[in-house]
Amino acid sequence: NAGVMQNPRHLVRRRGQEARLRCSPMKGHSHVYWYRQLPEEGLKFMVYLQKENIIDESGMPKERFSAEFPKEGPSILRIQQVVRGDSAAYFCASSRRTGSSGANVLTFGAGSRLTVL
Amino acid sequence: DQQVKQNSPSLSVQEGRISILNCDYTNSMFDYFLWYKKYPAEGPTFLISISSIKDKNEDGRFTVFLNKSAKHLSLHIVPSQPGDSAVYFCAASAANRDDKIIFGKGTRLHILP
Repeated sequence: NAGVMQNPRHLVRRRGQEARLRCSPMKGHSHVYWYRQLPEEGLKFMVYLQKENIIDESGMPKERFSAEFPKEGPSILRIQQVVRGDSAAYFCASSRRTGSSGANVLTFGAGSRLTVL
Repeated sequence: DQQVKQNSPSLSVQEGRISILNCDYTNSMFDYFLWYKKYPAEGPTFLISISSIKDKNEDGRFTVFLNKSAKHLSLHIVPSQPGDSAVYFCAASAANRDDKIIFGKGTRLHILP
């Protein structure tokens, strides 16, 4: 079981370019979460998706950011026209379910570190 | 609005002693609390959780205590080992919010030789 796979691990973009971060959840997990960690900050929730559905995007900036989790393939976090303030580590996590008994334990990937020049 | 607060950015503890990491929360609707550990350049890994209907959960060297009336929880690690040096995140979720997990800012634990 390969766990949650994120790529690229490191991405460098110039201001105004687009960044695409990919996440393949653990086998058997149908729920994907994206978090952002700014320097010296904690993990900030961005978006929660199930296959083909955005469940909660309350943490996503209103402009330039979008996320999808298609029926086939990985989840994608897309940042258009990047700015220096987008430089951060972006973590993807997956879980098997929500709403059932027991804690919703997330399994995290190793993260994608975005640097905007 | 920070719903999960870890007020100590860092903590240093002698190897073999007890490490106590604290966490406060504001949302009384949280029904599960979790602790994650993170090493540099890696993703967070799950350590231990506790339901809001319990006041203690133990797993080996790790014990989490929950005080609902004070909206406070703590993670005890005993005895502390060098490999415990990491950033520890407190997290919480509410089933009526689609189990979205809210994280604190983390506490960096240094285990001193």
